[in-house]
Amino acid sequence: DAGITQSPRHKVTETGTPVTLRCHQTENHRYMYWYRQDPGHGLRLIHYSYGVKDTDKGEVSDGYSVSRSKTEDFLLTLESATSSQTSVYFCAADGGDRGGGYTFGSGTRLTVV
Amino acid sequence: SQQGEEDPQALSIQEGENATMNCSYKTSINNLQWYRQNSGRGLVHLILIRSNEREKHSGRLRVTLDTSKKSSSLLITASRAADTASYFCATDAGAAGNKLTFGGGTRVLVKP
Repeated sequence: DAGITQSPRHKVTETGTPVTLRCHQTENHRYMYWYRQDPGHGLRLIHYSYGVKDTDKGEVSDGYSVSRSKTEDFLLTLESATSSQTSVYFCAADGGDRGGGYTFGSGTRLTVV
Repeated sequence: SQQGEEDPQALSIQEGENATMNCSYKTSINNLQWYRQNSGRGLVHLILIRSNEREKHSGRLRVTLDTSKKSSSLLITASRAADTASYFCATDAGAAGNKLTFGGGTRVLVKP
C-alpha cells in the first residue's frame, strides 16, 4: 500500500453526524477514486477525480461528496451519516496510462451507530 | 452493479495445487485486471491483460481473456499458503476517468 495513506483507519460515528475520510498520495497520480466494499457487493465506485477540483460521481454517490484541492489529497465526506453507510472505504489512485493498475490504500472501516 | 462476476465465490486447495478462478463481464472492455486482497488490507494489482491479448503470464500467474465469451480466468500455479487471499477481477471499459468496475471476488484458502 505504499504511496496511499488513508485516515482514520477505523471510525465509529453516530447517525446524522458529518464524517470526512482522508486520502493522501505521494505518487503524483492524476486520477483518484473512492470505493466502498460491502459483503456481497464487491467494490463499488462512489466518486472519482481526474484532476485538482475536477470530480465526478460513481455508481453509489448519493449521500457522499468529495473534494480535491491538491493533487495529493482527496477527501470523502458523508454529509449526514446513516447506518447504510457502514462499510469499508478504499481510496485508490491511477497514473492514467491504463497500464499499471490502481494503487490502493489500506482502507477505513467506518461504523455508523 | 458489478461488471464482473467471479466463479467460484470460494475455493479451498492444498499447498502445491493449482487454483483457477473465472471472471465474466457484460460490456466491451479496454482491458481486464486482477487484484489480490489479503484480509484487512487494500487491494494489490497483480496483472493486466488488454482486449487484444489472449494470454499473459507473470511469475506463477497465468491470465487468459476470451473477448468473444466476455470471460477471463486467473490460474495460480503451485499455490502457497501465502496465496490465501481474495482475488478480484476488474474491467476497464475505456470510459473517461480510467474507472474500473470490480467483481465480487473469489476467496482462496491454501491449506499447508
